Amino acid sequence: KQEVTQIPAALSVPEGENLVLNCSFTDSAIYNLQWFRQDPGKGLTSLLLIQSSQREQTSGRLNASLDKSSGRSTLYIAASQPGDSATYLCAVGGDTDKLIFGTGTRLQVFP
Amino acid sequence: DGGITQSPKYLFRKEGQNVTLSCEQNLNHDAMYWYRQDPGQGLRLIYYSQIVNDFQKGDIAEGYSVSREKKESFPLTVTSAQKNPTAFYLCASSRTGVLPNWNGYTFGSGTRLTVV
Repeated sequence: KQEVTQIPAALSVPEGENLVLNCSFTDSAIYNLQWFRQDPGKGLTSLLLIQSSQREQTSGRLNASLDKSSGRSTLYIAASQPGDSATYLCAVGGDTDKLIFGTGTRLQVFP
Repeated sequence: DGGITQSPKYLFRKEGQNVTLSCEQNLNHDAMYWYRQDPGQGLRLIYYSQIVNDFQKGDIAEGYSVSREKKESFPLTVTSAQKNPTAFYLCASSRTGVLPNWNGYTFGSGTRLTVV
């Protein structure tokens, strides 16, 4: 059974730092991996989707990488801002169009 | 603009009542999903449907029921059999049958259900 782990569970950094959020999964037979952002009391907003044939995706200050063989993905946030404060979740998809979610990393960026 | 609409945003249920949460999408997605989110536990799949008039149980289906009479709509009923229904409920949708070029989930804004 696929299990998804995100470390650390919480992270607090000063504004301007570059940071890395980690996601690991136990079954490397995935088709895709999706990173989401969730603000308190809100739904999930998709940030980046990486297909299994890709190694990374970029959107603005965000870069997500995927290493299927080692069961790992990282989300890199450059020059962090207080507005980046949220919970970040990763989810992996197999061949069933369903995603399995990690428990998230709660990020706080302070001025 | 296309998207998913969940209503209501907040819902209060008395003991022994059934309540229904609405989820509507205009993205022309075939698949729809219901997740429950509790603090510290991540998202757990309740039910999902990949085609009209068909749906499957997820990991925590007990005490819940769904219907999929229209492609656009996937309502979730929380029955009195669900012993601990207080949670944040999230609906999502996606395309199907397009692997490996699938474009992921789109989520609604959620419904917070509280038992009073």
